[in-house]
Amino acid sequence: DSGVTQTPKHLITATGQRVTLRCSPRSGDLSVYWYQQSLDQGLQFLIQYYNGEERAKGNILERFSAQQFPDLHSELNLSSLELGDSALYFCASSVEGREGYTFGSGTRLTVV
Amino acid sequence: QKEVEQDPGPLSVPEGAIVSLNCTYSNSAFQYFMWYRQYSRKGPELLMYTYSSGNKEDGRFTAQVDKSSKYISLFIRDSQPSDSATYLCAMSVGNTGNQFYFGTGTSLTVIP
Repeated sequence: DSGVTQTPKHLITATGQRVTLRCSPRSGDLSVYWYQQSLDQGLQFLIQYYNGEERAKGNILERFSAQQFPDLHSELNLSSLELGDSALYFCASSVEGREGYTFGSGTRLTVV
Repeated sequence: QKEVEQDPGPLSVPEGAIVSLNCTYSNSAFQYFMWYRQYSRKGPELLMYTYSSGNKEDGRFTAQVDKSSKYISLFIRDSQPSDSATYLCAMSVGNTGNQFYFGTGTSLTVIP
């Protein structure tokens, strides 16, 4: 157990729907990162939050949004889902002074 | 051109072999270099973390960074079947609180 908790582990939904993925970072970690992993694109950075505030934005679609709450957990909202959004979505957390990220086990999203 | 290039493999070696995994990158501002290991359907886990150029050794694993050539390597000595996984290189400009740029991963199988 890495200490980063992601729920749900699996999600199957239809095109056009909206889903919410949840992430609880490691205790004490203030930064949360969201990544999308698909077979052909590898790990793509979506967005980073630090202590409740958006810090960096990557290749995140306008249909996607995220937030980090006062208790530091984060949610990634995906709307108007398309077949191409099917992927593994990873959350990672880090704290200043510690090397690297710690990843959660991911949410596998399948859009049918 | 992608920020980070990594040969996807797959790579298949006999148990006990020395494995060499490599990445090239284009951004000369990268200073922090990491290798992650990802087992099937799991989150990536940090294997090695190095700063700037040089070598770092940890057990059977050695990471090398050549900033002049924009080339990093991971060597695995005495490879074991349990090393079978996908290996991802990652790099960033800053230490923490920064976006990591990942390679697409190299799939490794160690045959008993």
